Amino acid sequence: RKEVEQDPGPFNVPEGATVAFNCTYSNSASQSFFWYRQDCRKEPKLLMSVYSSGNEDGRFTAQLNRASQYISLLIRDSKLSDSATYLCVVNPSDQKVTFGTGTKLQVIP
Amino acid sequence: DADVTQTPRNRITKTGKRIMLECSQTKGHDRMYWYRQDPGLGLRLIYYSFDVKDINKGEISDGYSVSRQAQAKFSLSLESAIPNQTALYFCATSDTGQGTYGYTFGSGTRLTVV
Repeated sequence: RKEVEQDPGPFNVPEGATVAFNCTYSNSASQSFFWYRQDCRKEPKLLMSVYSSGNEDGRFTAQLNRASQYISLLIRDSKLSDSATYLCVVNPSDQKVTFGTGTKLQVIP
Repeated sequence: DADVTQTPRNRITKTGKRIMLECSQTKGHDRMYWYRQDPGLGLRLIYYSFDVKDINKGEISDGYSVSRQAQAKFSLSLESAIPNQTALYFCATSDTGQGTYGYTFGSGTRLTVV
């Protein structure tokens, strides 16, 4: 089993739709979790951290389910500008971080 | 100026040539990293450094070397480039913990080995 797994997509959704991605991780001792956004041929940029209690930033909501070992990202009212690849990042320890291969989102007019 | 600057942005080199990719940062972070990204494989760690005197191999260090010249500078060398080192290379920094507070990435170097 991969350390971090994501559905590569693409997820094609119309503008205004709500879309959710999941990311599963294998190491139950993982401590920190993040979502990054990466535009085509650009560098990844931190979108949001994922806290145990869940957190929200505008149209974006991130949640952690430790029992089932996955994190999720929910995007409401999708915009064309949300089209990108979303990378899940997991820190099993201070010495290691693992990136998922990403989920591609395409928001369609 | 960008917080993390990588040079060159693009490079085409021939098999067997030595090439250096450079990274400098103005974040004041102690921790610096080199990653490569290949389609379908995600980001893979090549080397990382937690301070000027600390260098550590990542998961795919073979064929690469690094130098931490100063807190702000971390360079990656390909001693003898080969075609399967064609990839997008990213330098990144973090304040503490491997990304505990998130990484800041440079804009990347697109390297092609022919």
